[in-house]
Amino acid sequence: AQSVSQHNHHVILSEAASLELGCNYSYGGTVNLFWYVQYPGQHLQLLLKYFSGDPLVKGIKGFEAEFIKSKFSFNLRKPSVQWSDTAEYFCAVIHTPNFGNEKLTFGTGTRLTIIP
Amino acid sequence: KAGVTQTPRYLIKTRGQQVTLSCSPISGHRSVSWYQQTPGQGLQFLFEYFSETQRNKGNFPGRFSGRQFSNSRSEMNVSTLELGDSALYLCASSALQATGEAFFGQGTRLTVV
Repeated sequence: AQSVSQHNHHVILSEAASLELGCNYSYGGTVNLFWYVQYPGQHLQLLLKYFSGDPLVKGIKGFEAEFIKSKFSFNLRKPSVQWSDTAEYFCAVIHTPNFGNEKLTFGTGTRLTIIP
Repeated sequence: KAGVTQTPRYLIKTRGQQVTLSCSPISGHRSVSWYQQTPGQGLQFLFEYFSETQRNKGNFPGRFSGRQFSNSRSEMNVSTLELGDSALYLCASSALQATGEAFFGQGTRLTVV
């Protein structure tokens, strides 16, 4: 079964620091990859996605992620974090192509706390 | 366009009771998935419905069931509630089932006492 590992459970950074959150998945075939973010008191929302093409994808609020197929990784980065980035971040993956019989698998999440 | 709507937002139930949660997907979306979110466990997949048919099911006991109606609205039912069922239950809808891109609701916070 597919699994997703997020190595950092809780990350604490000061404002303006650079961020990198790790994500590795287990499946060796073709996948679609996602980062979702859950701000305090808000619903889970899509931060960025990778389907194909350029392995460096850009999302909202200055976030980017790099897909490295050889390492089964999809790490999330931001050069300079802000206090408003405090949230929980989830990596997710799904096999592709699929016939609608595959489920989106999530990592356990990384809680990011930004200190002003 | 309205987002995914889940009702109720909060529920407190007693052990042994049953509960029904509701989810209205984004208009035009035919795929609805349900997840259980707990601290430390992350999001655990419950099941997915597409055009009123259950397409996928996670590793949860038979006490957890669901259904989808012809208008794509979905309900999730948990019978014989246990304390461990306390969690945030999330519903997500998708326009294209196979891509994995999902839009989530605010969730229903279920507390079992």
